[in-house]
Amino acid sequence: GNSVTQMEGPVTLSEEAFLTINCTYTATGYPSLFWYVQYPGEGLQLLLKATKADDKGSNKGFEATYRKETTSFHLEKGSVQVSDSAVYFCALSDHDYKLSFGAGTTVTVRA
Amino acid sequence: GAGVSQSPSNKVTEKGKDVELRCDPISGHTALYWYRQSLGQGLEFLIYFQGNSAPDKSGLPSDRFSAERTGGSVSTLTIQRTQQEDSAVYLCASSLGQGRLSNQPQHFGDGTRLSIL
Repeated sequence: GNSVTQMEGPVTLSEEAFLTINCTYTATGYPSLFWYVQYPGEGLQLLLKATKADDKGSNKGFEATYRKETTSFHLEKGSVQVSDSAVYFCALSDHDYKLSFGAGTTVTVRA
Repeated sequence: GAGVSQSPSNKVTEKGKDVELRCDPISGHTALYWYRQSLGQGLEFLIYFQGNSAPDKSGLPSDRFSAERTGGSVSTLTIQRTQQEDSAVYLCASSLGQGRLSNQPQHFGDGTRLSIL
C-alpha cells in the first residue's frame, strides 16, 4: 500500500536558518505529492504540490522537488522566519483521491 | 471566497452519546472528504463523496460511523454510541472533483475537535 515517511520532530531553529524536512514515500503508481502546513490553532493548508517526476513545487519561499529515483519530496526553505513555526505534513495521492499523510513534523523558529 | 466551513469547532460529550459533525464545502466543489486526526493514528481518510455517486466508505473505522451528503453540498458525519477512542479532530476537505483527482489539492476546514468523556 501507499505510505509516507517524514523526519521526526520537533525541529527547533533560529530565524534565518536553513530548513530541510525529509519526506520519502512508497506508492504503487505515479503519485502526486503535497506538502500541507498547519499553523497553531488553524486548519491544514496546502503549501505546495508536484504532480510528476522532476516537478518542483514552490510557495512562500518553500520548495520541494519530486524525485522519483529516490522516492523523495524533501521540503526546504533557505531562511526561516518565526511565522514559519507550524506542523508540516507530507502527503501523497496515488490513482485516486485518498491522501496518505506522514506523521507530521513540528517546526519551531526562535527569534 | 469562503473556505470549507465546519461546525461545531469543539464538541465535548459523554461516552455513549451520539454526535453529528457538519461540513459545508467550498461552493462549486463536487468532491468532499472526511479525515480524522488523532495522536495515535495521525491523519486518516474516512469517507469520500463525489457528486451523486455512491460514497467511498472504506476508511470508516466501525459501523458506528456514518456520513451523508445532502443535495451534493453539505455533509454530516455521525458517530453513534461514542467511545473514548473516538476523541480526535475531524477534518473535512473539498476539491473541484474534475479531471484527475489525485492531482487536485484538497482544501481543508479548521476541523471539529471532539472529546469523549
